[in-house]
Amino acid sequence: AQKVTQAQTEISVVEKEDVTLDCVYETRDTTYYLFWYKQPPSGELVFLIRRNSFDEQNEISGRYSWNFQKSTSSFNFTITASQVVDSAVYFCALSESNNNDMRFGAGTRLTVKP
Amino acid sequence: DVKVTQSSRYLVKRTGEKVFLECVQDMDHENMFWYRQDPGLGLRLIYFSYDVKMKEKGDIPEGYSVSREKKERFSLILESASTNQTSMYLCASRKGGLSTEAFFGQGTRLTVV
Repeated sequence: AQKVTQAQTEISVVEKEDVTLDCVYETRDTTYYLFWYKQPPSGELVFLIRRNSFDEQNEISGRYSWNFQKSTSSFNFTITASQVVDSAVYFCALSESNNNDMRFGAGTRLTVKP
Repeated sequence: DVKVTQSSRYLVKRTGEKVFLECVQDMDHENMFWYRQDPGLGLRLIYFSYDVKMKEKGDIPEGYSVSREKKERFSLILESASTNQTSMYLCASRKGGLSTEAFFGQGTRLTVV
């Protein structure tokens, strides 16, 4: 069963637009972590942020912000004033307390046009 | 700087060949992973290892095996390569613990002809 769902396969925006990438997860654990990764055209995945299941405070880092809502099992990622360099595939991932592994969603390909 | 290195960036193999994909990490991480990335399917876990000589199946282990004889090295083996194994293969490592992030290699694009 899919544990992490990223329903948006591809999103295309024009530079300076705001864009939100959705992530919905499924787990029975009470303790877990969620992650976002960026995969630029070069191919190597880069870690962006982690969030634990007990911390529902939203986080902002520059133009990036993350909204974690346990009630809807969602961990959405917003880029404000997007730039061409934000073009990449973005992955959401889940790490559960009873596993050593990390499960990823299908990814969302974001294209930011000049 | 942390490093996960995959032995090949591009590989072309023939159907039926035995294929080895090698991955080395220099961070003394306990956990290592092999994922396969296909368009529309994201990263799917093939196998992972949480210690030397220990391994666990992921979501799509069929047609693959792994080897971890040393902590820093994790090999993915395609026993008899088939065209449906043409894909991008990503290796990752991760320190033990729920909160730790994974570090990825640059990927190996394997084409089976």
